[in-house]
Amino acid sequence: DTAVSQTPKYLVTQMGNDKSIKCEQNLGHDTMYWYKQDSKKFLKIMFSYNNKELIINETVPNRFSPKSPDKAHLNLHINSLELGDSAVYFCASSPGLAGGRDTQYFGPGTRLTVL
Amino acid sequence: EDKVVQSPLSLVVHEGDTVTLNCSYEVTNFRSLLWYKQEKKAPTFLFMLTSSGIEKKSGRLSSILDKKELFSILNITATQTGDSAVYLCAFDMRFGAGTRLTVKP
Repeated sequence: DTAVSQTPKYLVTQMGNDKSIKCEQNLGHDTMYWYKQDSKKFLKIMFSYNNKELIINETVPNRFSPKSPDKAHLNLHINSLELGDSAVYFCASSPGLAGGRDTQYFGPGTRLTVL
Repeated sequence: EDKVVQSPLSLVVHEGDTVTLNCSYEVTNFRSLLWYKQEKKAPTFLFMLTSSGIEKKSGRLSSILDKKELFSILNITATQTGDSAVYLCAFDMRFGAGTRLTVKP
């Protein structure tokens, strides 16, 4: 069974649309993350949630809103999509209370293309 | 601002060679250093280092952290074509740009 899963794997959409990416982990981990990997392969933290509570919110436009209905799920909603949002978005989870000390397990990624 | 720098950015070697990848950092409140391997999709975990001077090994791969000089290295001996990937280091959740390693037969 997949440990960290994301849907969809690919997402192609027009500028200005609103879209969501879903993430689920079945590892029983307490912390989940969203990362953005741009065309230069640079991986950057966006958000981190611990037990449904937001603990890290990097400098990300307000158009990005994470939602964690329970500790196994962390979804990412993006409003008014822009060309610069095109990237691969990775979800990850880790067992510990706070990010950075634990190994993170990554999902397969969602490739978002904004036209 | 916290900064993580990896070098070289890319490296091409032949099978059997030994490589050393570098990761230096300027990070406040450092807790751990992690190395990941990224092939075509998601990064996969290699090592987590929290203490200075203690080498971690896994097969042909090894890594060590120097907290005084603020860097870490990842060594791969007897490289194989399957080692071709981007190797990422991360201090807490700050990732470097990665080193792209290509191993030619």
